[in-house]
Amino acid sequence: GAVVSQHPSWVICKSGTSVKIECRSLDFQATTMFWYRQFPKQSLMLMATSNEGSKATYEQGVEKDKFLINHASLTLSTLTVTSAHPEDSSFYICSARGTSGSMYTQYFGPGTRLTVL
Amino acid sequence: GEDVEQSLFLSVREGDSSVINCTYTDSSSTYLYWYKQEPGAGLQLLTYIFSNMDMKQDQRLTVLLNKKDKHLSLRIADTQTGDSAIYFCAESMTNAGKSTFGDGTTLTVKP
Repeated sequence: GAVVSQHPSWVICKSGTSVKIECRSLDFQATTMFWYRQFPKQSLMLMATSNEGSKATYEQGVEKDKFLINHASLTLSTLTVTSAHPEDSSFYICSARGTSGSMYTQYFGPGTRLTVL
Repeated sequence: GEDVEQSLFLSVREGDSSVINCTYTDSSSTYLYWYKQEPGAGLQLLTYIFSNMDMKQDQRLTVLLNKKDKHLSLRIADTQTGDSAIYFCAESMTNAGKSTFGDGTTLTVKP
């Protein structure tokens, strides 16, 4: 089946530093990837839609200069949290759009736990 | 905009059936999904149903859709402790677009 990986699985950083999270589709090509943020015991909040070779589409309220997304290839999208602050601490999950039979579906990565001190 | 609602918690005994309910507001929703999230992990697609279907069964999972009431349910037969997780309902207008997720239902299975 379709596999999506994320790296790192967890990261702890100091306030003010930048952190890059990678999302890879391992056995399929994904022209579209999605980045979500999940707070404890809460649902997923879609941050942005990442399209290969073009600019990401950000959801309302998400700062595009703070959460930089790059989708440089059909198997890799990166999310960079710039000048991280403690309130950016969260669980970040990516998904890649693939097919299941004749249907598109989202295959989710295992998530990255970011803790900003 | 689209809204998807679920009850937050459900507790059942091992061996019983679990029924997780979901309501959505967008009548244009064409694709409806159920995902499972185990602690510290991403989401796993369990099953999906098209809006022109009433029911879909896949082994222990049965999905019922009442399009008139915009109500979706997931029934897990013979619930096991390994089924303990958060279950998310999601909807999408197209099968290529983004999905709107509910807040998730935490299922606890007691031995």
